[in-house]
Amino acid sequence: NAGVTQTPKFRVLKTGQSMTLLCAQDMNHEYMYWYRQDPGMGLRLIHYSVGEGTTAKGEVPDGYNVSRLKKQNFLLGLESAAPSQTSVYFCASSYWGLAGGTDTQYFGPGTRLTVL
Amino acid sequence: AQTVTQSQPEMSVQEAETVTLSCTYDTSESNYYLFWYKQPPSRQMILVIRQEAYKQQNATENRFSVNFQKAAKSFSLKISDSQLGDTAMYFCAFTNAGGTSYGKLTFGQGTILTVHP
Repeated sequence: NAGVTQTPKFRVLKTGQSMTLLCAQDMNHEYMYWYRQDPGMGLRLIHYSVGEGTTAKGEVPDGYNVSRLKKQNFLLGLESAAPSQTSVYFCASSYWGLAGGTDTQYFGPGTRLTVL
Repeated sequence: AQTVTQSQPEMSVQEAETVTLSCTYDTSESNYYLFWYKQPPSRQMILVIRQEAYKQQNATENRFSVNFQKAAKSFSLKISDSQLGDTAMYFCAFTNAGGTSYGKLTFGQGTILTVHP
């Protein structure tokens, strides 16, 4: 199993450009998440998905859109990049059992995005 | 809203010694989960240990153990016999166990741990 993979690993954008980050997981997890990590701060949740075809806003959703057309993929889009979106982006996934509770989140390797 | 606070921005320890990283959290929920994640220079987030709030027994994983004080809302990580490979940023994280939490994690600011030879 590859676990959670992210594409690309690095990207440099100019202000106003758009891009899509791809997250893929091969663990058949229902739940997927996008976080951003800024210097001196912990990870903050951008958007999340509790299943194929569903998405929801997290703590810092402004400026981002997401889609979950397939269970194994979770896409994060920036329509018009801004310097404030310079960050490291992490995708994660987890399994939520039928009995409820929560399971461990498994993280991808991260994408370092710089917006000039 | 839940908050997680790590009051030690940086810590250092000599190889083979023991170090404790602090974490406090704030929640009105009674059932939840706590985690410690490690982020080495490779940037990969690695789960170190987890604790279910309904369990009174402190979790342990080899050289890693926690001191979970539910009433005080404290969740510290103890690393015994520190190794050079333990050098990393350590994050404390929290999630509610309720059905509407969907496992969303709230992270602390992180503690940079350096293990010296």
